[in-house]
Amino acid sequence: DAKTTQPNSMESNEEEPVHLPCNHSTISGTDYIHWYRQLPSQGPEYVIHGLTSNVNNRMASLAIAEDRKSSTLILHRATLRDAAVYYCILSRPWGFKTIFGAGTRLFVKA
Amino acid sequence: ETGVTQSPTHLIKTRGQQVTLRCSSQSGHNTVSWYQQALGQGPQFIFQYYREEENGRGNFPPRFSGLQFPNYSSELNVNALELDDSALYLCASSLWYQSSTDTQYFGPGTRLTVL
Repeated sequence: DAKTTQPNSMESNEEEPVHLPCNHSTISGTDYIHWYRQLPSQGPEYVIHGLTSNVNNRMASLAIAEDRKSSTLILHRATLRDAAVYYCILSRPWGFKTIFGAGTRLFVKA
Repeated sequence: ETGVTQSPTHLIKTRGQQVTLRCSSQSGHNTVSWYQQALGQGPQFIFQYYREEENGRGNFPPRFSGLQFPNYSSELNVNALELDDSALYLCASSLWYQSSTDTQYFGPGTRLTVL
């Protein structure tokens, strides 16, 4: 099973950048790194994914280490609405059993 | 484009009973996965269906079973309910499980309480 390790919680001030780390030392060459977040009382929602290169979208940026054993989700300006649990998972094709860890609970202070 | 919907929103059952949870996939998606999320934990994979066939299963006993219908909607059935089955049950649909880039779209979940 491909597992990831994340800090239990992090805290940020509103309008400041947030860097959420994830370790995935057992990643294989074809695994994609996906990030989801779960807002209170909702199902998880997709944030971003990548393989080797850094990725940007309207929600966040994903920085992937050169050896791919770790990655960092970057929220450029945290808002109160970004308070959620963030999950880093490894994605494989063909019915791979997606494994979610406990994720990182992000607290955003006004 | 309609998102993933689940019904019911909340459900209370007693130990030993059976329950059926329903999920309507996002339009065009042929794969559905079910997850169990206990309070304070991440979602745990139960199983996945692709075109009406079970395609992968997590560490859940056989009393957890599922169905996917030709319109790609899905059911999760749990027999002989136990207190530990109390959790949020999430379904997620996706378009192309064969790909590592496949993105899952989650429903809001069904909160099951077993008394």
